[in-house]
Amino acid sequence: QSVLTQPPSVSGAPGQTVTISCTGSSSNIGAGHDVHWYQQLPGSAPRLLIYVNKNRPSGVPDRFSGSKSDTSASLAISGLRAEDEADYYCQSYDSSLSGSYVFGTGTKVTVL
Amino acid sequence: EVHLVESGGGLVQPGRSLRLSCAASGFLFGNYGMHWVRQAPGKGLEWVSSIEWNSRRILYADSVKGRFTISRDDAKSSLYLQMNSLRPEDTAFYYCVKAAVHGASIHWFDPWGQGTLVTVSS
Repeated sequence: QSVLTQPPSVSGAPGQTVTISCTGSSSNIGAGHDVHWYQQLPGSAPRLLIYVNKNRPSGVPDRFSGSKSDTSASLAISGLRAEDEADYYCQSYDSSLSGSYVFGTGTKVTVL
Repeated sequence: EVHLVESGGGLVQPGRSLRLSCAASGFLFGNYGMHWVRQAPGKGLEWVSSIEWNSRRILYADSVKGRFTISRDDAKSSLYLQMNSLRPEDTAFYYCVKAAVHGASIHWFDPWGQGTLVTVSS
């Protein structure tokens, strides 16, 4: 069961900026645990997009940016392109009970 | 280049068992934590289980605790998931995932394998 909440979908025209929120609680993001983001293109496995809140792995365009504050995090995609159409998931760690990794509910980005 | 190749998926009846394997290459397998993440068809990602590089810390999602067992064979650079008492709700693509960095106590996931489909149905 996901404990990180994301909007089911966001959309934007090419060139625009879209933002995806990821809302957690005091046992995960609010506890200071880092947030990471993954992109899943249709028919493909997920790939790491942003790690430790705001860092981009090599090969990820700087159009993708991440931020974190209190019990939430955000992923922004600027200069939206057709190839950005995909599902996006946030991920963190939850320190309740024995500990677990948690994913967001996922957001479908549509390029209009 | 890191490669993770899952195998062992298939169609299985409810209540039966299945063992997934993940063959790793391109990195020093014994130095990294490893994970299983699953995704039901058309649904979101769900973390399943994790094993630290030294096998001293193993975690399971509540949904599989007591039924699934994660293990690793560093000599074979392989990760396993023994799944017992399978239920229809275990139907999913199962991804083998590497911890992104060595030495961190809490991980992020990079890279991911291509996944193997497990279908639990009578």
